[in-house]
Amino acid sequence: EPEVTQTPSHQVTQMGQEVILRCVPISNHLYFYWYRQILGQKVEFLVSFYNNEISEKSEIFDDQFSVERPDGSNFTLKIRSTKLEDSAMYFCASRPQGSGTDTQYFGPGTRLTVL
Amino acid sequence: RKEVEQDPGPFNVPEGATVAFNCTYSNSASQSFFWYRQDCRKEPKLLMSVYSSGNEDGRFTAQLNRASQYISLLIRDSKLSDSATYLCVVNFFYGGSQGNLIFGKGTKLSVKP
Repeated sequence: EPEVTQTPSHQVTQMGQEVILRCVPISNHLYFYWYRQILGQKVEFLVSFYNNEISEKSEIFDDQFSVERPDGSNFTLKIRSTKLEDSAMYFCASRPQGSGTDTQYFGPGTRLTVL
Repeated sequence: RKEVEQDPGPFNVPEGATVAFNCTYSNSASQSFFWYRQDCRKEPKLLMSVYSSGNEDGRFTAQLNRASQYISLLIRDSKLSDSATYLCVVNFFYGGSQGNLIFGKGTKLSVKP
């Protein structure tokens, strides 16, 4: 069964550094998402991406964040200057196009630790 | 405002018990409803979608009441492996939205031998 994959599984970085989190969505999916979950809190939507552009973003997704689909398979989340409060699990998700297919499939996540 | 509310639990039940979780959502524009399961420090995994007519998958039964904006999940004959956090999730499609999932905080279930 196809899966969403994410790398790395754990990223440790110093405050102020840039990080890039990588995701490979399921191959025939056309909608891509990033969510985050701070330890002990709920999963929160960050951004959705379709047709090579951001379609929606939350208040969390400020100018420090950016997303990119650099090729036909990868989908990346960049945090330009990390802050302590960016420490969280970051989940990538994807879904196919079409009616009745609004289920999103999640990758295993990247645990980001900002020191 | 988009909110999904759940009782955080924990629900501690013996094996074989029946347990029910409830969830309310605030935005009537919600169009799709799900229960996800999340094990500790893992990704959310789809347990089942929830339809207005109610649906059942083995030991799991989900119900949706759109008028009351209320969703439920019933687990019968609980197994040790059912121990996890159960996330109530709604999906909004409106305007240009691509259907962003709004998660509840989750209800923790612990099934004991």
